[in-house]
Amino acid sequence: ELKVEQNPLFLSMQEGKNYTIYCNYSTTSDRLYWYRQDPGKSLESLFVLLSNGAVKQEGRLMASLDTKARLSTLHITAAVHDLSATYFCAVDRTNFGNEKLTFGTGTRLTIIP
Amino acid sequence: DAGVTQSPTHLIKTRGQQVTLRCSPKSGHDTVSWYQQALGQGPQFIFQYYEEEERQRGNFPDRFSGHQFPNYSSELNVNALLLGDSALYLCASSRDRGRNGNQPQHFGDGTRLSIL
Repeated sequence: ELKVEQNPLFLSMQEGKNYTIYCNYSTTSDRLYWYRQDPGKSLESLFVLLSNGAVKQEGRLMASLDTKARLSTLHITAAVHDLSATYFCAVDRTNFGNEKLTFGTGTRLTIIP
Repeated sequence: DAGVTQSPTHLIKTRGQQVTLRCSPKSGHDTVSWYQQALGQGPQFIFQYYEEEERQRGNFPDRFSGHQFPNYSSELNVNALLLGDSALYLCASSRDRGRNGNQPQHFGDGTRLSIL
């Protein structure tokens, strides 16, 4: 059974600092997604990573994928308050894309002014 | 361009009752997936519908069933509700695997179901 683990589960950081969220998964997959969820809201897609070594950047967020290590990272640069949210990684084991997603437990990020 | 829409937004039921949740996919999407998100947890895959048939299913009992209509909209039905069914139910839509262009699933705002 595919397991997806994120750490840390909770992260409180000051504005302007850098930090990394880690996502480990237990079986082979070449497709990994990052989503953001604000309290009481739905999931917003951030990144789609489709191959080993893939790196995507959007603003202060950068995601990478190492399929050999079964590891993805979400790096936050110079955090701002707007980035406070819960971040989920999700793995598609089927390799067809957009099929059964297995989500991690989420990382609740709080940015302190 | 309307995104994924779900109804109702909130619902309160009692144990043993039955519930139906509805979802309209994003324009141009033909595949609908349903997820259950308990408080403080990540979403759990329930099942996926394509061409009006259940294509994949997660580890949920038969009390959870669904349907997809010719216009690609979908329903999730849950029978014999239990307290543990209280959760946010999310619908996600996408284009079929052969045409998806490696795009992510788009999620609706969800239906918050509370069981008393």
